[in-house]
Amino acid sequence: DTAVSQTPKYLVTQMGNDKSIKCEQNLGHDTMYWYKQDSKKFLKIMFSYNNKELIINETVPNRFSPKSPDKAHLNLHINSLELGDSAVYFCASSPGGRNSPLHFGNGTRLTVT
Amino acid sequence: GDSVTQMEGPVTLSEEAFLTINCTYTATGYPSLFWYVQYPGEGLQLLLKATKADDKGSNKGFEATYRKETTSFHLEKGSVQVSDSAVYFCALSADNYQLIWGAGTKLIIKP
Repeated sequence: DTAVSQTPKYLVTQMGNDKSIKCEQNLGHDTMYWYKQDSKKFLKIMFSYNNKELIINETVPNRFSPKSPDKAHLNLHINSLELGDSAVYFCASSPGGRNSPLHFGNGTRLTVT
Repeated sequence: GDSVTQMEGPVTLSEEAFLTINCTYTATGYPSLFWYVQYPGEGLQLLLKATKADDKGSNKGFEATYRKETTSFHLEKGSVQVSDSAVYFCALSADNYQLIWGAGTKLIIKP
């Protein structure tokens, strides 16, 4: 009974393609996030939604577009994929508040060739 | 702005050795502090947290104490196991609730 689930786990695609990653959480949390982790394990927040409303939108190319159809889902669509987009993308959720921990999915490893 | 600095890895230890991973921070206000662990092929998971000065967080034999005077939150464990091999992240939650992450420290435990 996975709390935060992402699909697919692996995604291999060519430059220029468009792809989507889906995320669902069954924890009843109000806030969801997308993070990018590079090959050196450095974590960078990309987006955050609270109750379907975008609240954090870091400096990310316009090619990346998040969509939250409801509180339990946050999808990430990427247009015109580039080699530099290769990374592991993590979805996370949180009940909100400064002391609340994040719950992460197991990641989607994206490889652009 | 707020920031978190962790010791660079990898840190390589033998089983049953004592572990310290250093973490220092700069922040305005009174942040909450966290350690997360990432096992190979998995997402991050909360290891422990402390929400105010002098608080000690502990879990699975790991401990960290929130030291305001030295702006530190060092992670310690008395006797590490091979299964502790992972990447450890220190993070702070600032006044705007956004998490600021350290760069991560890879820990390798040899049998």
